[in-house]
Amino acid sequence: GENVEQHPSTLSVQEGDSAVIKCTYSDSASNYFPWYKQELGKGPQLIIDIRSNVGEKKDQRIAVTLNKTAKHFSLHITETQPEDSAVYFCAASKGNTPLVFGKGTRLSVIA
Amino acid sequence: DGGITQSPKYLFRKEGQNVTLSCEQNLNHDAMYWYRQDPGQGLRLIYYSQIVNDFQKGDIAEGYSVSREKKESFPLTVTSAQKNPTAFYLCASSLDRMNQPQHFGDGTRLSIL
Repeated sequence: GENVEQHPSTLSVQEGDSAVIKCTYSDSASNYFPWYKQELGKGPQLIIDIRSNVGEKKDQRIAVTLNKTAKHFSLHITETQPEDSAVYFCAASKGNTPLVFGKGTRLSVIA
Repeated sequence: DGGITQSPKYLFRKEGQNVTLSCEQNLNHDAMYWYRQDPGQGLRLIYYSQIVNDFQKGDIAEGYSVSREKKESFPLTVTSAQKNPTAFYLCASSLDRMNQPQHFGDGTRLSIL
């Protein structure tokens, strides 16, 4: 089955710097890759997703890149702000199969 | 506003007791999911349902049961057979297929007395 590895597990950046979180997946047939943000005591919220027919997608300060050959995808957050501090999860799925989640990255933005 | 409501927010269980976690959605979504979240473990799938009166086991279904009698409701029962039930439980839904954006509730934290 699919296996998703996420790195790093913790990340600290200065406010205004960029943050990058990387995920690798094992099943080359996977074609849907969402990213979720989870704040303390809350459920995860979708922040951006990408499908395998696209190499990059941007939404304001957030971008996701996908490298199908290497089977990895990354979340990029530019101009980080304190409110970006949270746990971020990547996930992958193919066809109509359940999402498989990475173990999460705790991002801390230091003011 | 449309969304997913989980209740209660906190739940305590005595040894040998079954407890039921509620999940209701008004998004008109066909698919619903239950996940368990432990520190450092990410989200692990317990059960999912893509249509009323049908559901499938996820990766960690042992000790849990579900029902899907109505489109908007997907309750999870944590049975006494689940030996380590202390965790944060999350319910989610998606429009119809699983490779679509999932909307999550704010979770129920279950603890053992």
